[in-house]
Amino acid sequence: NAGVTQTPKFQVLKTGQSMTLQCAQDMNHNSMYWYRQDPGMGLRLIYYSASEGTTDKGEVPNGYNVSRLNKREFSLRLESAAPSQTSVYFCASSLSGSAYEQYFGPGTRLTVT
Amino acid sequence: TQLLEQSPQFLSIQEGENLTVYCNSSSVFSSLQWYRQEPGEGPVLLVTVVTGGEVKKLKRLTFQFGDARKDSSLHITAAQPGDTGLYLCAGAKGNEKLTFGTGTRLTIIP
Repeated sequence: NAGVTQTPKFQVLKTGQSMTLQCAQDMNHNSMYWYRQDPGMGLRLIYYSASEGTTDKGEVPNGYNVSRLNKREFSLRLESAAPSQTSVYFCASSLSGSAYEQYFGPGTRLTVT
Repeated sequence: TQLLEQSPQFLSIQEGENLTVYCNSSSVFSSLQWYRQEPGEGPVLLVTVVTGGEVKKLKRLTFQFGDARKDSSLHITAAQPGDTGLYLCAGAKGNEKLTFGTGTRLTIIP
């Protein structure tokens, strides 16, 4: 039982490059989330998926797109990376909605130069 | 817009001392969660409080939800080096997305 896994763990991009962050959970959770964490800002929600087949914008969605590929997988895509997207990205899942405990992956540290 | 403010932002104390960190908002939440995050890892849930005035204890950690469900506190008794980490509160309104606080970075000096 791996919980929430994320790949890659580290990534360096040049401005304008694109990439996809992968996330998978094996807990049969309905809801999945993408957050970014910046110093002094706590965790800010980028996008979330309340259930398979649905996605919604969070607090900071600009510059990102998501795909809920199936119940297990939720990917985050940066189409044209910018230095402002340098951050640590966390994927999380919960049984069904925010009232339930969220389980987090280990994070992806992204640097955009 | 940051709805949840945590204080202090940084706290460094000696092993064995007591401490309290705070999580404040002008909004009412239906539930509030506390997470601890260690370097290089994702946050891990410590507790969820649901009822105004509720107090929950987890060994040396005591969590309280304010009567009006707008604020919360975390008190640690006899702090140990293993308590070092980033403490995050997060509020939920019904089953909507969680709003995370700004975090308190705690360092316990042996």
